Amino acid sequence: TQLLEQSPQFLSIQEGENLTVYCNSSSVFSSLQWYRQEPGEGPVLLVTVVTGGEVKKLKRLTFQFGDARKDSSLHITAAQPGDTGLYLCAGIGRAGDNTDKLIFGTGTRLQVFP
Amino acid sequence: EPEVTQTPSHQVTQMGQEVILRCVPISNHLYFYWYRQILGQKVEFLVSFYNNEISEKSEIFDDQFSVERPDGSNFTLKIRSTKLEDSAMYFCASSGGKPQHFGDGTRLSIL
Repeated sequence: TQLLEQSPQFLSIQEGENLTVYCNSSSVFSSLQWYRQEPGEGPVLLVTVVTGGEVKKLKRLTFQFGDARKDSSLHITAAQPGDTGLYLCAGIGRAGDNTDKLIFGTGTRLQVFP
Repeated sequence: EPEVTQTPSHQVTQMGQEVILRCVPISNHLYFYWYRQILGQKVEFLVSFYNNEISEKSEIFDDQFSVERPDGSNFTLKIRSTKLEDSAMYFCASSGGKPQHFGDGTRLSIL
């Protein structure tokens, strides 16, 4: 079983559409991060959410941390071809673990067509 | 902006050979990490390193793996006797606390 499950796994949409990516776990995390990874590059941090229920906005991207700190969502408004990439959630500090390692989700590959 | 650099970008090695992957972390960072990503799979934690010793390692990081910070700038991952299943992208990350900054990875191909 995957600790952090992302859905959908793949998403192909037209430019201008809205989309939401989900990151779900049965474990509680002290914080959760979202990364974007492009081919041939390492993951690049987009945002960190720490407080249950927290909402953060980064231009057209809206990130939410679930009240119970077990899940998160990424919503993109009016997607553009430049948003194409692999989106990864990563949890830090799973309850009971005294650790700073990142536990990555299964990833969502987004393709936005012009 | 400072960045983590990894060399080589692509390493092709015969099975059973030793391989060393190199990373230059961001200069004032104190925490160092290796992750790997097998093609089509998620990014997995291998090991974390702080104060010149391993602070945590995963089940993947067995006796064939070792890490070293030989000269205060480079942070290396060595695989002693590579196996086919070691083929993956290997990412180095460094941190000054939070968050972790990733390099662009080394693609390791074992033949």
